[in-house]
Amino acid sequence: DTGVSQNPRHKITKRGQNVTFRCDPISEHNRLYWYRQTLGQGPEFLTYFQNEAQLEKSRLLSDRFSAERPKGSFSTLEIQRTEQGDSAMYLCASRPPFRLGGREETQYFGPGTRLLVL
Amino acid sequence: SQKIEQNSEALNIQEGKTATLTCNYTNYSPAYLQWYRQDPGRGPVFLLLIRENEKEKRKERLKVTFDTTLKQSLFHITASQPADSATYLCALGKTGGFKTIFGAGTRLFVKA
Repeated sequence: DTGVSQNPRHKITKRGQNVTFRCDPISEHNRLYWYRQTLGQGPEFLTYFQNEAQLEKSRLLSDRFSAERPKGSFSTLEIQRTEQGDSAMYLCASRPPFRLGGREETQYFGPGTRLLVL
Repeated sequence: SQKIEQNSEALNIQEGKTATLTCNYTNYSPAYLQWYRQDPGRGPVFLLLIRENEKEKRKERLKVTFDTTLKQSLFHITASQPADSATYLCALGKTGGFKTIFGAGTRLFVKA
């Protein structure tokens, strides 16, 4: 178990470009989350997958953002036509399957991808 | 709307003292509350979880209390060490629910 991994760790792009981030969760975890975090703030929920199904997406999320988890394993987050306001740390987290009374509430975070839009 | 408030100012304490961090929330009835630690440039790391029917939880030098009437949790680090310096995040969730809502965090500095 190597934990949750994210790639790339850093991304610098020019405004208007598209970027894609990848998240590899812990292998037996069927639940996957994407968050955005800006300086001085806590992680802000973006979207949630259970297996390959995207079950929830934040209403704050612009339609320039799209996420996929095609085989229920790794996930990608794409931002189209990036804007300077998209600059943030993008965090991925995974959770084991839900079992009442278990430790399934714990989220295991990756190291994040830091995006800077110039 | 749901709101979580944590001490916005950094907490500076001397090594060996007890650090106490506060988490208050409104417009939410969580089934559980979690505390995470986050170091600069890294993802949060889970520390402790306390459920709505629990008053107190301990783990080594950490203690969490949960008062659902006051809608408040206190997080204590006893015998604090410089290595405890980090940002501590409070998070709320519901059993079987999708979302966890995070506070903005409190920055803790422990001086040697």
